[in-house]
Amino acid sequence: NAGVMQNPRHLVRRRGQEARLRCSPMKGHSHVYWYRQLPEEGLKFMVYLQKENIIDESGMPKERFSAEFPKEGPSILRIQQVVRGDSAAYFCASSPGGTQYFGPGTRLLVL
Amino acid sequence: GIQVEQSPPDLILQEGANSTLRCNFSDSVNNLQWFHQNPWGQLINLFYIPSGTKQNGRLSATTVATERYSLLYISSSQTTDSGVYFCAVNKGGGADGLTFGKGTHLIIQP
Repeated sequence: NAGVMQNPRHLVRRRGQEARLRCSPMKGHSHVYWYRQLPEEGLKFMVYLQKENIIDESGMPKERFSAEFPKEGPSILRIQQVVRGDSAAYFCASSPGGTQYFGPGTRLLVL
Repeated sequence: GIQVEQSPPDLILQEGANSTLRCNFSDSVNNLQWFHQNPWGQLINLFYIPSGTKQNGRLSATTVATERYSLLYISSSQTTDSGVYFCAVNKGGGADGLTFGKGTHLIIQP
């Protein structure tokens, strides 16, 4: 059973561009989570999704950030008009309900 | 929201030493996990332990839910144990997002 997959592993964007981060959960897992780790900080919960539904987005910035988990395909975290402060590691986790398993992360660098 | 405090923040040990990492949380929890973030940034699941004691090789963990703390024990440390150890909890039905502590940065010197 393959683990949680994220791509790209590294992403470089210029200010004002869009960033799209993808996450494929482990087989059989219906719960997907996104977390952000800013430099020198711990991990912060952003959003929790199940297929076609956002369950909890209390950790998402109000503007420029959105997430989806469509019926088919990976979960997408989208950041519009990126700014330098968005530079961070973004981790996806999946769960069958209980233990959360983390992917390798996407390192986003905004120039 | 729930608060998670980890101690010590930093720990430097010689190879072969034992260590105890602590995680205190401010409210009852349904899920508690320990993770190791290695120097390459990968988050490795160590334990899912909302209560009780578990062991996996040189690592073991104990959570005393009624007293709101968990301990991670590392015995006979190896240099590959270096990294940051995170404790994370959630309070909801078990499927909620995790709240992480700030971590313990462990350095094992040869």
